[in-house]
Amino acid sequence: AQSVTQLGSHVSVSEGALVLLRCNYSSSVPPYLFWYVQYPNQGLQLLLKYTSAATLVKGINGFEAEFKKSETSFHLTKPSAHMSDAAEYFCAVVVPNFNKFYFGSGTKLNVKP
Amino acid sequence: DVKVTQSSRYLVKRTGEKVFLECVQDMDHENMFWYRQDPGLGLRLIYFSYDVKMKEKGDIPEGYSVSREKKERFSLILESASTNQTSMYLCASSLRSRRPQETQYFGPGTRLLVL
Repeated sequence: AQSVTQLGSHVSVSEGALVLLRCNYSSSVPPYLFWYVQYPNQGLQLLLKYTSAATLVKGINGFEAEFKKSETSFHLTKPSAHMSDAAEYFCAVVVPNFNKFYFGSGTKLNVKP
Repeated sequence: DVKVTQSSRYLVKRTGEKVFLECVQDMDHENMFWYRQDPGLGLRLIYFSYDVKMKEKGDIPEGYSVSREKKERFSLILESASTNQTSMYLCASSLRSRRPQETQYFGPGTRLLVL
């Protein structure tokens, strides 16, 4: 079965600090992986996705994520947090031939001034 | 830009009422999806559709039905609303049928309260 685990339902960082949001997946075959962001009272917006090309994926707003097959991970990072990054972040996995997104439970990022 | 719109941002209904949630996308996408979002549970797939008049059950279809009479519109129906269906409902669409790597584009969501 496919699953996605996001470690930490809440993460708090200071403005300017490194952002690291963790995502681990379980899949019997290499999946497609996504990070979405949800700002308050809005729908989800794609940050970046991995579709078996380069393992380091760059997204919008300075975020990037690295696919590590050996660790079954796809952690999201940003070198320097900005107040506008405060939002909820969702990792999602799609396994080829299953055609469905499986979302993690989400991580709320708080950015302190 | 892809635009996915949902008919209501907030909705209050009573137990037992029939509820319709409407979703429209304007980019000729083949796939459409309905999710519910609950704190700590992430998004869970209710139903999806790869084509007009076609539907497939997701992970939590019980208590829901859907309708897709036109390509751009996908409706979620709660036949008899119950309090455990109080949730945020998100509609999404993606371009091409049966391509799992396609990005899903989301609407703003409908927050439903069932009293």
